[in-house]
This record gives sequence, C-alpha cells and structure tokens, in this order.
Amino acid sequence: GAGVSQSPSNKVTEKGKDVELRCDPISGHTALYWYRQSLGQGLEFLIYFQGNSAPDKSGLPSDRFSAERTGGSVSTLTIQRTQQEDSAVYLCASSRWDRGDYGYTFGSGTRLTVV
Amino acid sequence: QQQVKQSPQSLIVQKGGISIINCAYENTAFDYFPWYQQFPGKGPALLIAIRPDVSEKKEGRFTISFNKSAKQFSLHIMDSQPGDSATYFCAATFGNEKLTFGTGTRLTIIP
Repeated sequence: GAGVSQSPSNKVTEKGKDVELRCDPISGHTALYWYRQSLGQGLEFLIYFQGNSAPDKSGLPSDRFSAERTGGSVSTLTIQRTQQEDSAVYLCASSRWDRGDYGYTFGSGTRLTVV
Repeated sequence: QQQVKQSPQSLIVQKGGISIINCAYENTAFDYFPWYQQFPGKGPALLIAIRPDVSEKKEGRFTISFNKSAKQFSLHIMDSQPGDSATYFCAATFGNEKLTFGTGTRLTIIP
C-alpha cells in the first residue's frame, strides 16, 4: 500500500481483557517497529522486526506484551490482561533500511483506552 | 549513551519568526539524524534528515544545522507559519539500529 495502515484506529476495552492491534507496513519494507505514545508524551520503543533476524524485544514493558510478524509483512501487537496504564496510542512504523533508507514511515496509530 | 536530549520542551514563536529546536547526543557512532513532525491525531512524519558528512541541509523553510564536534544538531524553521504548529522530534541512529528519539518539542506559532 501507499502508507502504513493500522487497525483499529480506536479501541476501548475493559481492564483484564486481551487486545490485538494490527499493522500493515509498506510493501517491501523489511523493518517494522512498534512504539507507544502516552498523551502529550514522547515515543516509547516497544519492539523491532528486521528481516528474518530475531526481533529486538528490549522495549516491551512486561510479559503481557507480545508481537509477531507473519511472512515478513503484517504485524500484530497483543496485550494480555490489559491495565489502565496501557492506555496510549500505539504507533507502527516501517522502513527500508537495507536500501540505505533509514527514515521511518509511521501509521496514524491505534488509540487504546482501557476502562 | 543511547540518549538524545532535546530542548526546549515547548516553544512559542511569532508568525514570521525563526523557530529553533536543539538536540544533543553522546554516541559518536550515530550517523543519521532525522527530524519528525507530528500533528495531533497523526503519526510522526519524516521532515528532513542529515548525515554527519555535511554541516547543514536545507529544504524549503526547514534547515538542519549539524555540529559534529559538539555532538549537537538543530532544526531551524524560517518564516514560521501557524501551519507549522506541531510537535517535533529529533532522532539518531547508526547502521541497522532502531532510531533513538528525543523527548519532543511542542511548537506553537502565534499570529
């Protein structure tokens, strides 16, 4: 596609429920990143997929968070047993760093609200 | 060593003025320095980027100034317009490492 697509754009869930957030990167982009942005705050790194290499999971805040990338394309971020502090905008980005293009293209994000 | 320090946290500039946002880094291995612009409800968008082999890069009203010896780089927005009101993030990386982002600057341009 022309850009990075994220779904849903908004998600309201009850505390304790599991949620799945989806990211469709730009076709051909080998790297995919997940970030979290709390209201009015900066960008908190979560996880990074790079080609066929093992993902960099160093930013995941707890074992309730996990992510996978299937077929080197679509990625799903799963949050289990959601807590109110998980409320934030979850941003996905992709890049073609292997072609010397290090710039990220971000999606518009999924706004997660845990009530 | 992976941090990128950004200042100021917020900035108010008169329309037509120059907006200046500064970033400093420690890791001398960094070799790519982009700036991102984020409007409310949107993801950040790449605005302009520089590599350390040049000291300045200009694209329209936006200029990056880079000081390798001081390990600092800055974004200058000339003739600032209300439409430039947004949050700006600097970042840095090297090789295939993920970007390290600054904490962001909320810029407001007043008429």
